[in-house]
Order: sequence, then C-alpha cells, then structure tokens
Amino acid sequence: DTAVSQTPKYLVTQMGNDKSIKCEQNLGHDTMYWYKQDSKKFLKIMFSYNNKELIINETVPNRFSPKSPDKAHLNLHINSLELGDSAVYFCASSLKLGQAYEQYFGPGTRLTVT
Amino acid sequence: AQTVTQSQPEMSVQEAETVTLSCTYDTSENNYYLFWYKQPPSRQMILVIRQEAYKQQNATENRFSVNFQKAAKSFSLKISDSQLGDTAMYFCAFMRGQAGTALIFGKGTTLSVSS
Repeated sequence: DTAVSQTPKYLVTQMGNDKSIKCEQNLGHDTMYWYKQDSKKFLKIMFSYNNKELIINETVPNRFSPKSPDKAHLNLHINSLELGDSAVYFCASSLKLGQAYEQYFGPGTRLTVT
Repeated sequence: AQTVTQSQPEMSVQEAETVTLSCTYDTSENNYYLFWYKQPPSRQMILVIRQEAYKQQNATENRFSVNFQKAAKSFSLKISDSQLGDTAMYFCAFMRGQAGTALIFGKGTTLSVSS
C-alpha cells in the first residue's frame, strides 16, 4: 500500500495552460505539505495544511493554489503555467507523535512546461 | 531565519568503506529536529535518520549514524559498510519543534558508491 501517493507522476504541458496535481495519504496524518524541487535539486516548502487549514503559505506566485478537501488529500492547482514552473513537486504528510514530526514524501510529480 | 549548509556537493566512496557527510545549521531555536533524507535516482525522498535536539545521544539506524554537536550546530551523517544501493543524493534538513512546520533543506550531497 502506498503511503503518500501523487498523480500524475509526470506532466508535460504548454505555457499558459492550467493543471492540477493530486496528493493523497493513507497514513492518518493531520498535516500535509507541498515542496518544490528545482533544476538544481534544491527543495523548498510552498504550502502546508493542518486539518484542512492553511498554515504555511510561502512566497509563491498566486497562480499556485492549494486545496484540501479533507485531511487525507491536498491538491495543487497551477494557473497560466510558465517555463519557470518546470520542477519536481513533492507532497508530504506528517503526524505529531509525542515529540516526533517525521514527514513522509510522495513519489513526486515532474512537471515540464514547454 | 534558519539555514542549513552542506559543504560537500559530491563525495565518492568504495563499497564496504565508511563515509561521513557534513551538515551545519543555524538557528536560535532550542526545540528542533534534524533529519537526513536520501534521494536515489528514482527521486523518492526516503527518511534515513532523525535526531531530536533535546537528546544528547546520537541517533543510529543500522549502518547509519549521526554525530550531533549541538553547541557547534553540526549534524554529520556516517554511513558504515557502504553499499552500491547507498548511491544517492543526501539532504540534511532542519525543522522547528512545532506541529506543521516545514523542513528546511540543505543543498544536498551527491554520494557515489563504487565497487
């Protein structure tokens, strides 16, 4: 059973299009995240949700909009895609267990904008 | 703001040997966690080891161990008996001790294990 899953794993699209990436976790976690890994492999937080409430919203263009319909899902919608949006997008989830906050990552979605 | 620095962009080691990856961080927090993640060519992010800042004892997971020096803000990863499957990019990450906070990553170290 996949713990954190993302669809699609690969996404190739043209500039100007709108696309969504879906994330689901079956770990019973209460917090979910979106990270972006750029072409130099640098990973940076974009958003996080705790119990469907947005708690982290980094400096990201407002073309990016996260949506959490329930605790197990966090989707990322991107409007008017640009060449610079090409990257790998990772979803992650975590649960507070005592003092531990381990984050578990999905397989990533490689987005290529042409 | 917290920062994480990995000063070794690339490292290589022979099978069965031991290698140490360096990581330093900067924070004014007292309650935090440190992690090492492994990213093989498959691009999956895999948690290797975790260290709570309040614990003095260094964490160990099989062949992986850390040297946590809190005063020096240093958190190195030692891989013993290196295996070909250890070939990957390794990321050091910092997280404040608060629910829902983000991981702050270093730029990563690419480790190559050869036979």
